[in-house]
Amino acid sequence: EPEVTQTPSHQVTQMGQEVILRCVPISNHLYFYWYRQILGQKVEFLVSFYNNEISEKSEIFDDQFSVERPDGSNFTLKIRSTKLEDSAMYFCASTPRGGYTFGSGTRLTVV
Amino acid sequence: DQQVKQNSPSLSVQEGRISILNCDYTNSMFDYFLWYKKYPAEGPTFLISISSIKDKNEDGRFTVFLNKSAKHLSLHIVPSQPGDSAVYFCAAARAGGTSYGKLTFGQGTILTVHP
Repeated sequence: EPEVTQTPSHQVTQMGQEVILRCVPISNHLYFYWYRQILGQKVEFLVSFYNNEISEKSEIFDDQFSVERPDGSNFTLKIRSTKLEDSAMYFCASTPRGGYTFGSGTRLTVV
Repeated sequence: DQQVKQNSPSLSVQEGRISILNCDYTNSMFDYFLWYKKYPAEGPTFLISISSIKDKNEDGRFTVFLNKSAKHLSLHIVPSQPGDSAVYFCAAARAGGTSYGKLTFGQGTILTVHP
């Protein structure tokens, strides 16, 4: 069964450093997303991406965040200057049209 | 933002019995609803969905019911198995327009199925 692949599974970074979280969505999917879940809280929408541009973003997705699809397969989330409160599980998801498939997540720990 | 609410943080059920997980929503623009199952340190796994044009959708042991007038949906698992023990998330979306695809999640319900 096709999967959404995320790397790394766990990333520890110092506050203020830049991190790039990587995702390989399912190949024939058209819509891509990033979500995050802070420990003990809900899964929250960050950003959606379609046709090589952001289609929607939440208020969490401020200027510190950016997304890119640098080639035909990868989809990345960059956090320019990490803060302690960015510590969370980050999930990538993709869908052709409904029935979203999530990756297994990257646990980001900012110290 | 409490647009999707799962009011029961946990549910404990005996193996073989029915599990009923509930979800309420407030945004009448939602027209597509999904249930996900999640194990620790894994991503949410899609279980079943329902469009607002239906009031029931069934897939094996899983049935989702939608009551649009009450803005309420429920997931029934029959019969429950110990392997069903996980966190269950309800999610809602608008299936059209520029916000297509954005899922709004509930807080989750921890289901424990006892042998």
